[in-house]
Amino acid sequence: GQNIDQPTEMTATEGAIVQINCTYQTSGFNGLFWYQQHAGEAPTFLSYNVLDGLEEKGRFSSFLSRSKGYSYLLLKELQMKDSASYLCGTGANNLFFGTGTRLTVIP
Amino acid sequence: GAGVSQSPSNKVTEKGKDVELRCDPISGHTALYWYRQRLGQGLEFLIYFQGNSAPDKSGLPSDRFSAERTGESVSTLTIQRTQQEDSAVYLCASSLVGGGMSSGNTIYFGEGSWLTVV
Repeated sequence: GQNIDQPTEMTATEGAIVQINCTYQTSGFNGLFWYQQHAGEAPTFLSYNVLDGLEEKGRFSSFLSRSKGYSYLLLKELQMKDSASYLCGTGANNLFFGTGTRLTVIP
Repeated sequence: GAGVSQSPSNKVTEKGKDVELRCDPISGHTALYWYRQRLGQGLEFLIYFQGNSAPDKSGLPSDRFSAERTGESVSTLTIQRTQQEDSAVYLCASSLVGGGMSSGNTIYFGEGSWLTVV
C-alpha cells in the first residue's frame, strides 16, 4: 500500500526560509518527486531525489533519507509567487501523491 | 504535441448522465496516468497505462469508472451514471516510459478537466 504524509497547511513570511516535510511508506520506491501546484493550475515538476542527500536547484532544495522514509523541500528567499500547494510523490511504476501542503507566503 | 492536452476543460453534467474525458499525451510518451483531485485536496491515483494496456487500475473508485487507450496515444476516461461526489478535476499525465520513475522519466501533467455534477 501507499502512505504519504505531509502537513496540510503552512504559512511563512516573504524573504524567509520554509521547510516542507514528507514521510512515506510505499510498496515500491523509484525516487521521490516534488511538484508545485498553483490554485487552478496543473502541477509542475520541481525536483527528484533517488539517492540520499540534498539536491539544490536555485532557491529550492530537496532532501531524501531512504532509510527513514523522509524527504523535505526547502524554499529560500520566499517570494509571494511561491504561495502554492507542494505535492510529495513516490512509487515504483507510477506516482502516488500525498495530500499536498498549501503554503501561504505573507508580506 | 508540445504538452499534455485534455478536453473538455470544463464540463457540467446532470447526475446520472455519462461523461467522457479525453487526454492527448505528449508525443512519444508511452506511459499515461489519470488522477482525480477534489477541491482543496491532493491527487488521487486512478489508473496507469503502459502503451495500450493498464498494469495498474487499482485506483478506479467504482465500476462506474473505466478508461481505455488506443494507438499508444489518446486515452478516454469514462464515468457512467455520474454522482455529485464525482465532481472534481481529472488530471491526465504522461511520461516517456513506464515501469519506473527516474529523473529522465518525469511525469508531466495536463491542465485538467473540471467536472461538475449537478
